[in-house]
Amino acid sequence: DQQVKQNSPSLSVQEGRISILNCDYTNSMFDYFLWYKKYPAEGPTFLISISSIKDKNEDGRFTVFLNKSAKHLSLHIVPSQPGDSAVYFCAARRIQGAQKLVFGQGTRLTINP
Amino acid sequence: SAVISQKPSRDICQRGTSLTIQCQVDSQVTMMFWYRQQPGQSLTLIATANQGSEATYESGFVIDKFPISRPNLTFSTLTVSNMSPEDSSIYLCSVETSMGETQYFGPGTRLLVL
Repeated sequence: DQQVKQNSPSLSVQEGRISILNCDYTNSMFDYFLWYKKYPAEGPTFLISISSIKDKNEDGRFTVFLNKSAKHLSLHIVPSQPGDSAVYFCAARRIQGAQKLVFGQGTRLTINP
Repeated sequence: SAVISQKPSRDICQRGTSLTIQCQVDSQVTMMFWYRQQPGQSLTLIATANQGSEATYESGFVIDKFPISRPNLTFSTLTVSNMSPEDSSIYLCSVETSMGETQYFGPGTRLLVL
């Protein structure tokens, strides 16, 4: 049962343009969502998060949008830079009861010069 | 966020042997976790390392195969026992902030079992 899904295994974007990574979830009890970035041979790096009481959170070039009714979130990176090329993981959890993080399968983002 | 280190960073092991991975955090944290990322796969939680008591294992993972220690609030070890090639993965330690919302990950240990 894949509760968090990233349906695009890969995405290619031109440098300077917007990158949009998508994530869907099935568990309506999830109330906290995170995005991680992972380079090869390194651990995941926390990027940005959003609570279910919000529909948008912005941090520099990164913005996460949450659509609770559609059980969908997206990460926007603008403008995209070559250093953004990595695998991006979406994760979700239910804060109450300290429920575990559930990860999506990841999307490999490639930024082309 | 916390600074997390893992040892070793990588290793090549023979089947049937065991490897112990260490995770050190630069500050006291309440929650520590161990994950596995198999080639081309997502991150899978192995267990929650509990300080002063037995770890809490996820479905599909057992203490005999993945014994975990957590003697204090800044250190934990994961042992991969009686290894087979299927254990070839990246093993990751993570910690949770005091707010209990965000997890931060160590650099990982890349294990290859021949």
